[in-house]
Amino acid sequence: AQKVTQAQTEISVVEKEDVTLDCVYETRDTTYYLFWYKQPPSGELVFLIRRNSFDEQNEISGRYSWNFQKSTSSFNFTITASQVVDSAVYFCALSEDNAGNNRKLIWGLGTSLAVNP
Amino acid sequence: SQTIHQWPATLVQPVGSPLSLECTVEGTSNPNLYWYRQAAGRGLQLLFYSVGIGQISSEVPQNLSASRPQDRQFILSSKKLLLSDSGFYLCAWSVLGRGGKSGELFFGEGSRLTVL
Repeated sequence: AQKVTQAQTEISVVEKEDVTLDCVYETRDTTYYLFWYKQPPSGELVFLIRRNSFDEQNEISGRYSWNFQKSTSSFNFTITASQVVDSAVYFCALSEDNAGNNRKLIWGLGTSLAVNP
Repeated sequence: SQTIHQWPATLVQPVGSPLSLECTVEGTSNPNLYWYRQAAGRGLQLLFYSVGIGQISSEVPQNLSASRPQDRQFILSSKKLLLSDSGFYLCAWSVLGRGGKSGELFFGEGSRLTVL
């Protein structure tokens, strides 16, 4: 069965610290997609990244970077030099659905990140 | 550009009263539409999704229903609210079709419902 585990429920860091949010997934499919979403205090979820199972290249976008390791079934998210605006709940999700209707998204329970000044 | 709006943002309703949450999408046609509920534990639960007008699929049995009267309008309803219906409701849309943007969802601002 598919499953996404975000073991860290809450993380608190001081501004400018680096922080890594862990995501471990389970799937039997060879083709799948992994995602990270951000939910700031305003409530609206914001798409951050999508990675397909055939692309294990790490990605960097500004202060954000993602480490995809198929060998450990992990898709970890690192924020470098964290800022107060990074405070949010971050969700990892898995999809085995290539049909585009997204109803098979499996969500983790989220990690609440608090960045303190 | 595409935008999604849902309202009302906040709602306090007594048990047994009806509910109507509305969501509209602009700037795209024939989107997939979704209603999610986020309870206190933060987990996201898919309630309904729709791939076209009048086509609604329910993911979990519950006290709620959904309708899609127009291509870019998605409504979440209940005839009689229960205490357990309290939560944060999120509407989302995605591009219809294979591969490409699979999984990329665009969310509305959310509607916080408190049932007393």
